[in-house]
Amino acid sequence: AQSVAQPEDQVNVAEGNPLTVKCTYSVSGNPYLFWYVQYPNRGLQFLLKYITGDNLVKGSYGFEAEFNKSQTSFHLKKPSALVSDSALYFCAVRDGTGGYNKLIFGAGTRLAVHP
Amino acid sequence: NAGVMQNPRHLVRRRGQEARLRCSPMKGHSHVYWYRQLPEEGLKFMVYLQKENIIDESGMPKERFSAEFPKEGPSILRIQQVVRGDSAAYFCASSPPGTGFLYEQYFGPGTRLTVT
Repeated sequence: AQSVAQPEDQVNVAEGNPLTVKCTYSVSGNPYLFWYVQYPNRGLQFLLKYITGDNLVKGSYGFEAEFNKSQTSFHLKKPSALVSDSALYFCAVRDGTGGYNKLIFGAGTRLAVHP
Repeated sequence: NAGVMQNPRHLVRRRGQEARLRCSPMKGHSHVYWYRQLPEEGLKFMVYLQKENIIDESGMPKERFSAEFPKEGPSILRIQQVVRGDSAAYFCASSPPGTGFLYEQYFGPGTRLTVT
């Protein structure tokens, strides 16, 4: 069965420092991976996705993610964190082989960026 | 271009009542997904629908829950005889027609259901 794991419940970063939010996955076949962000009392906003191609994926708001097949990881990164990046981040993997994106989400990582 | 719309945003029901959650996909989108988020947890897939068809309901509880996406109008998630364990945030997402797995899903703001 497909799954994703986000090993950290919370990540604390000082503003201006680089940030990393970790995600590892387990899939049969090629992984389709996604990152979403959730602000309080809001829906999820899409950040980026990996389907195929370049291992470094660039997304919205200056975020990027690195796909590492040997380590089965898809960590989210940003070179310089902003206080406004504080939110809940979800990694997700596509489940199944149908022509649609039934997503399996990780439990989420809360990012706190301190001034 | 309006995003995915969900209403109501907050819904309070007593145990045993029915809850109806509505989702209007983005303009031009014909694929709708429903997910449930329990407190302090990630989202769990419930059902995937296209217009007038349920394609995948593998995440739906077998009893009390149903979903539809009629030819006209919003998608509806219906929960009959609600229980306290149904209290959660319910999110709808939509994506364009065509090869669905190539497209990301756009999420609505969610409906927060509280069962008292």
